[in-house]
Amino acid sequence: AQKVTQAQTEISVVEKEDVTLDCVYETRDTTYYLFWYKQPPSGELVFLIRRNSFDEQNEISGRYSWNFQKSTSSFNFTITASQVVDSAVYFCARVNNNAGNMLTFGGGTRLMVKP
Amino acid sequence: DAGITQSPRHKVTETGTPVTLRCHQTENHRYMYWYRQDPGHGLRLIHYSYGVKDTDKGEVSDGYSVSRSKTEDFLLTLESATSSQTSVYFCATQGALTDTQYFGPGTRLTVL
Repeated sequence: AQKVTQAQTEISVVEKEDVTLDCVYETRDTTYYLFWYKQPPSGELVFLIRRNSFDEQNEISGRYSWNFQKSTSSFNFTITASQVVDSAVYFCARVNNNAGNMLTFGGGTRLMVKP
Repeated sequence: DAGITQSPRHKVTETGTPVTLRCHQTENHRYMYWYRQDPGHGLRLIHYSYGVKDTDKGEVSDGYSVSRSKTEDFLLTLESATSSQTSVYFCATQGALTDTQYFGPGTRLTVL
């Protein structure tokens, strides 16, 4: 199976610190999509970003930024100046093109931002 | 977000009883998915559908069946629930022209 690995199971930071969540994936596909989802304590899954493997430009959205490195099969997520509301579990995922576009998820990283 | 609802949101049942979870969407999305979420495993695909009456197995399909008789509804059935099926179940949908899955609010199922 082509895995997605989020090696950090839990990260704890103090508010205003920057934090990077790591994601490494395996794929045999030439083209593919990668995703990040956020799961706050309320439990829903919130879509954050989709990245096409053709596009290696880094993306920034407010305090969030994503670093896609195809050469190292990594898709890392950085939160700048973290806030308590960023506390959540964050999942990285990859589309499996050969199985109905199912998503293969990493195990998730629990981020705790303390005031 | 796609308008996705799941029912029930919480259910407690006993081992051996049948259980059906419902996912309803209002976006006319072609693809629908059922995932389960367990600690340490992220989310894993149970079954998916690529159209009315068209379904296929995911990576953890044993003990589950699905049906899709209408575009908007995707049912997940546990024929005889077991304690190992205690989990949070998420439904997701994806349109034919998009590449993003959107998730419902989840159903927490406890099998005693």
